[in-house]
Amino acid sequence: QQQVKQSPQSLIVQKGGIPIINCAYENTAFDYFPWYQQFPGKGPALLIAIRPDVSEKKEGRFTISFNKSAKQFSLHIMDSQPGDSATYFCAAQRGGSQGNLIFGKGTKLSVKP
Amino acid sequence: ETGVTQSPTHLIKTRGQQVTLRCSSQSGHNTVSWYQQALGQGPQFIFQYYREEENGRGNFPPRFSGLQFPNYSSELNVNALELDDSALYLCASSGQGAGKFYEQYFGPGTRLTVT
Repeated sequence: QQQVKQSPQSLIVQKGGIPIINCAYENTAFDYFPWYQQFPGKGPALLIAIRPDVSEKKEGRFTISFNKSAKQFSLHIMDSQPGDSATYFCAAQRGGSQGNLIFGKGTKLSVKP
Repeated sequence: ETGVTQSPTHLIKTRGQQVTLRCSSQSGHNTVSWYQQALGQGPQFIFQYYREEENGRGNFPPRFSGLQFPNYSSELNVNALELDDSALYLCASSGQGAGKFYEQYFGPGTRLTVT
């Protein structure tokens, strides 16, 4: 059972475009939703995260939109650049001291110059 | 402030052998989690260590075991290696204090190849 479903699997946009990556979760006990960026051969890097008590969070060119009732959240990358080309993972975590991340399968983003 | 470090970077082992991977947590962090990332997949949680004790485990067999040391560094041990154990093994550390354990910071990983 896949607890966090991510789409699309891959995405190609032109420089300056706004790629949108979507995730859906099932477990309503999740209360922390981060996005990670991973370049080939590297570990995932924490990009931005949101809690379910807010509907949107912005950090620089990255925005998370969160819809608690639909159990969905998405990542928007404003003014995308070729350097943003990477694999993006959404994740969800349940609260408490035993929190572990449950990841989506990833979206490979390619930003064309 | 130093980030999460892992060693070795790459490792090639033969089926049936045993392997030990090492992780140093980020300065100020007391919780270490290990993840397995197969090619083209998202990381999967193996287990977590907090104050030198296992603090949660994913769906991995007992031949995956670990340790955390007083300085919060950690080891992942895998016995009786199988071909399917070939993956990138990631260590993530998180801090103490309200809400801090949520933010998990990953190391660069150890690429394990089992032949």
